[in-house]
Amino acid sequence: DIVMTQSPDSLAVSLGERATINCKSGRSLFYSSTNKNYLAWYQQKPGQPPKLLIYWASTREFGVPDRFSGSGSETDFTLTISSLQAEDVAVYYCQQYYSTPPWTFGQGTKVEIK
Amino acid sequence: EVQLVESGGDLVQPGGSLRLSCAASGFAFTRYAMSWVRQAPGKGLEWVSAISANSGNTYYADFVKGRFTISRDNSKSTLYLQMNSLRAEDTAVYFCAKDDEYGTMVRGLFDNWGQGTLVTVSS
Repeated sequence: DIVMTQSPDSLAVSLGERATINCKSGRSLFYSSTNKNYLAWYQQKPGQPPKLLIYWASTREFGVPDRFSGSGSETDFTLTISSLQAEDVAVYYCQQYYSTPPWTFGQGTKVEIK
Repeated sequence: EVQLVESGGDLVQPGGSLRLSCAASGFAFTRYAMSWVRQAPGKGLEWVSAISANSGNTYYADFVKGRFTISRDNSKSTLYLQMNSLRAEDTAVYFCAKDDEYGTMVRGLFDNWGQGTLVTVSS
């Protein structure tokens, strides 16, 4: 199974400041035949199901604010919230969907307001 | 608007069985792969099982293989998870999730999620 490791486990950021979450994969998620990285980011607020934010490592889902951005390739990926808002308090998960199952998630990163 | 509504969660004794359902609406259910993903209390997300649109392909995480069975009834737009030989470590909220892949394949990219149903395995 592909192991996904996020860092940090939690972070506290002031309103309006940048939040950066890292995700490292145990193997490359880049498929040369499609030229894509099979990596997604989800946001989960307390008491709610996860919500898809980013897919193909850097494509924002429809309706997701542009303060959220994804970057990276192969084994190292980053989710950046450029200007943290109060409604961004949540746990964020990366997930690989490379090839056939099992698909795996990172352990999650909790984002709070400083 | 896509809606996924899970039901069937309950308190069950170790070794018992349960069947979860997920009623789908707002999209062409017959065209999309579906998955179950679970979340133990206070823990992270864990993919459990997937099924292609025409039920031709099913997949399971190792920790449920041989105990859980995923199925779907496209005429009812409903996804199921039959859970047998339940263990304490199966205690979790079970989410059904729509895959963004349609046709005979699965992709594992979950663009819509239900609210989840709680399964508690305890004596």
